[in-house]
Amino acid sequence: GAVVSQHPSRVICKSGTSVKIECRSLDFQATTMFWYRQFPKQSLMLMATSNEGSKATYEQGVEKDKFLINHASLTLSTLTVTSAHPEDSSFYICSASSKSGMADTQYFGPGTRLTVL
Amino acid sequence: AQSVTQLDSQVPVFEEAPVELRCNYSSSVSVYLFWYVQYPNQGLQLLLKYLSGSTLVESINGFEAEFNKSQTSFHLRKPSVHISDTAEYFCAVRRKKEYGNKLVFGAGTILRVKS
Repeated sequence: GAVVSQHPSRVICKSGTSVKIECRSLDFQATTMFWYRQFPKQSLMLMATSNEGSKATYEQGVEKDKFLINHASLTLSTLTVTSAHPEDSSFYICSASSKSGMADTQYFGPGTRLTVL
Repeated sequence: AQSVTQLDSQVPVFEEAPVELRCNYSSSVSVYLFWYVQYPNQGLQLLLKYLSGSTLVESINGFEAEFNKSQTSFHLRKPSVHISDTAEYFCAVRRKKEYGNKLVFGAGTILRVKS
């Protein structure tokens, strides 16, 4: 199947700093990318959907000024957590999708573990 | 809105035994149904999906799931599990209309296969 990478896999930062997470589709062009957040022992919660070249659509309750998403090309999307605080510590997962048949298939990255001290 | 309930957070089972991971969903519109698997320290991988047609779908590694519209269920089964099947399994749904619409996930079920 298609491969999606995330970088970094783990990051530890101080409170108040900003952290950028990259999501890349390595062998296909992703017209849509999704960003999820997963708390321990909980489900993946969609944060935002981004289409290449346009602004991201954020889910209700997700602060767009805090979680900046850029989808500048068909193979790269970035999530920047601005002024991170300990409550932002979580597992962030991206997925990438290209139109295929009746239902697009999302291919997931391995995730990024963010710890804010 | 859609919601997904995975009734078991953990399922321990011995190797070569059968297993069923339960998934129920709620939706006011027609949905596609998916099972994803997450092995330790890896991303989610699509295991199988139901789009239309036959209600029984199979994966290449012996798992199968049956869509039951009346019971709004999409339980995952395997007649004989292996140690390598140890992973977390997520059930998910997506609305049929609109390409690119979001997936709604269940909380996940950890399958632990013991020797």
